[in-house]
Amino acid sequence: SQKIEQNSEALNIQEGKTATLTCNYTNYSPAYLQWYRQDPGRGPVFLLLIRENEKEKRKERLKVTFDTTLKQSLFHITASQPADSATYLCALVKAAGNKLTFGGGTRVLVKP
Amino acid sequence: EAEVAQSPRYKITEKSQAVAFWCDPISGHATLYWYRQILGQGPELLVQFQDESVVDDSQLPKDRFSAERLKGVDSTLKIQPAELGDSAMYLCASRPRSGEETQYFGPGTRLLVL
Repeated sequence: SQKIEQNSEALNIQEGKTATLTCNYTNYSPAYLQWYRQDPGRGPVFLLLIRENEKEKRKERLKVTFDTTLKQSLFHITASQPADSATYLCALVKAAGNKLTFGGGTRVLVKP
Repeated sequence: EAEVAQSPRYKITEKSQAVAFWCDPISGHATLYWYRQILGQGPELLVQFQDESVVDDSQLPKDRFSAERLKGVDSTLKIQPAELGDSAMYLCASRPRSGEETQYFGPGTRLLVL
């Protein structure tokens, strides 16, 4: 069966350091992979999208990589700030216009 | 900036009662999604609309859940009767007609079934 796995353990990190989150998937061939941020009691907010033929995407302090051979995406937050504390969700899309299938999310806590 | 609206934000009900959630997507967005998110897990799709038509409701428990988007704009998700296991966050999201894969989520409705 299809599986999308993210670290269920919270990631505690010191302010200024780089946070690295992983998203692994099995039995899946996604066309896109997206990362969302979710604050407690709120809906997810889109951060980045990366296509199957792209290796890396950047947006400000965020970087996403996508390795379709390893079936893995890495999400990096550089120069992390306490305001980056949230849960980060990866989501896969099989084809354009199709539904998002989410991983369980990883909670990040950035300590001052 | 346009946002997806949802109401109510919180709902407490007793099991076997009926509940309804409302969603108003961003104006002009043709695709509308309802997701359910259990605490500590990622959202799971319940139903997807393209305009007023259902595209995917394979994960919707149709014996108790129903969804409609009569005029292709706002949408209602209903549960009748509610069960204890339905306690979760119900999220609505919308997406433009074409060319953009980003989904825009509303703030959600937190349901507690007692």
